[in-house]
Amino acid sequence: QVQLQQWGAGLLKPSETLSLTCAVYGGSFSGYYWSWIRQPPGKGLEWIGEINHSGSTNYNPSLKSRVTISVDTSKNQFSLKLSSVTAADTAVYYCARGRQKGIAARRGWFDPWGQGTLVTVSS
Amino acid sequence: SYELTQPPSVSVSPGQTARITCSGDALAKQYTHWYQQKPGQAPVVIIYKDTERPSGIPERVSGSSSGTTVTLTISGVQAGDEADYYCQSADSSGTYVFGTGTKVTV
Repeated sequence: QVQLQQWGAGLLKPSETLSLTCAVYGGSFSGYYWSWIRQPPGKGLEWIGEINHSGSTNYNPSLKSRVTISVDTSKNQFSLKLSSVTAADTAVYYCARGRQKGIAARRGWFDPWGQGTLVTVSS
Repeated sequence: SYELTQPPSVSVSPGQTARITCSGDALAKQYTHWYQQKPGQAPVVIIYKDTERPSGIPERVSGSSSGTTVTLTISGVQAGDEADYYCQSADSSGTYVFGTGTKVTV
């Protein structure tokens, strides 16, 4: 059974860079895309981007200029960096397993999810 | 940007049927998936590819699709079904999109 465990800094100042990492335990790491998704307090879900084990990425156009997702295949981990954060980036950030490699995005859903990390941006 | 519209809230009595709609221009061409999220927890997929149920999800949870509207139906609603529900799809460029979310009150 696949499990995702995530960690990273929970309190940032405006203009700093958010950094989170997600470790994947069990199952196939190389056979899937791995995503980051966020949820501002009391609001809905927003997909941030995805990566596969080869390092191929896709980003949400609304965040693309500030997002970098990377992968460490030796550890079955992937990471998120979001630069120049503001209060609007305050959210719970989730990592999640997405579509299988070779499957079009239109077929993709997210399962399972990590436990979530609350990141607060405040001066 | 592509949007998926859901009703903000649905209220249902125990034992009755809850229906949650999700509307979007591209849904006729894309699969839709549904998630249940309880307070303080990560979302959990309860329907994928419009109508498929993951193992462990009861048969009283079902999905259907008609044109640009998809519907999540929960029959015999129980107190434990009280949660937020989100639909999810993808636009033509491969950007994943979530619905606006529906709070189900039992």
